Amino acid sequence: AQTVTQSQPEMSVQEAETVTLSCTYDTSENNYYLFWYKQPPSRQMILVIRQEAYKQQNATENRFSVNFQKAAKSFSLKISDSQLGDTAMYFCAFMKGNAGGTSYGKLTFGQGTILTVHP
Amino acid sequence: DGGITQSPKYLFRKEGQNVTLSCEQNLNHDAMYWYRQDPGQGLRLIYYSQIVNDFQKGDIAEGYSVSREKKESFPLTVTSAQKNPTAFYLCASMLGGSEGTDTQYFGPGTRLTVL
Repeated sequence: AQTVTQSQPEMSVQEAETVTLSCTYDTSENNYYLFWYKQPPSRQMILVIRQEAYKQQNATENRFSVNFQKAAKSFSLKISDSQLGDTAMYFCAFMKGNAGGTSYGKLTFGQGTILTVHP
Repeated sequence: DGGITQSPKYLFRKEGQNVTLSCEQNLNHDAMYWYRQDPGQGLRLIYYSQIVNDFQKGDIAEGYSVSREKKESFPLTVTSAQKNPTAFYLCASMLGGSEGTDTQYFGPGTRLTVL
């Protein structure tokens, strides 16, 4: 079974600064995907960024980028130029790759990190 | 607009009652999922379905039931056997099947409270 650990229950950052959220995972799989989701106060889960394990290049989406260290099983999220709208709970999640079988598509989530951006 | 809808937004249930949460998607996604979120915790998988007329138990299926009679619909019934059903319930869907389509998208959620 896979586990996902987010060791920072809460973090805060000043507007326009950079912040990094940590995530580690444990798996014996070689083919998998990793995600960061954002849940603002509205509670809508929004995809932030996605990484395929077989790709060495770190994924980026505008101000959001990841540091994917496959050997260390680490998947941190960096938010640059933080904005007030980034205030939310952030979840790291793991999904096994499509090798067939009924377990494909199951997401395993970490406990989440509450990020507060201060003006 | 394409997307995932959940209804109702808020639901109140008396002890001993069964209630059904609705989830509909018009994204033509094959797979659908139900998650439960408790305060301060991550999401836990209740049930999922990869294709019409087929579904599998997730990690916390006890006290819940589902059906998948249509591709676009995946209702969740919270039965009286669920000991602590008060939680936030999220539905998700995924196209699946090939690279780039294995991302889950979520509905807005239903807040269930047992009175």
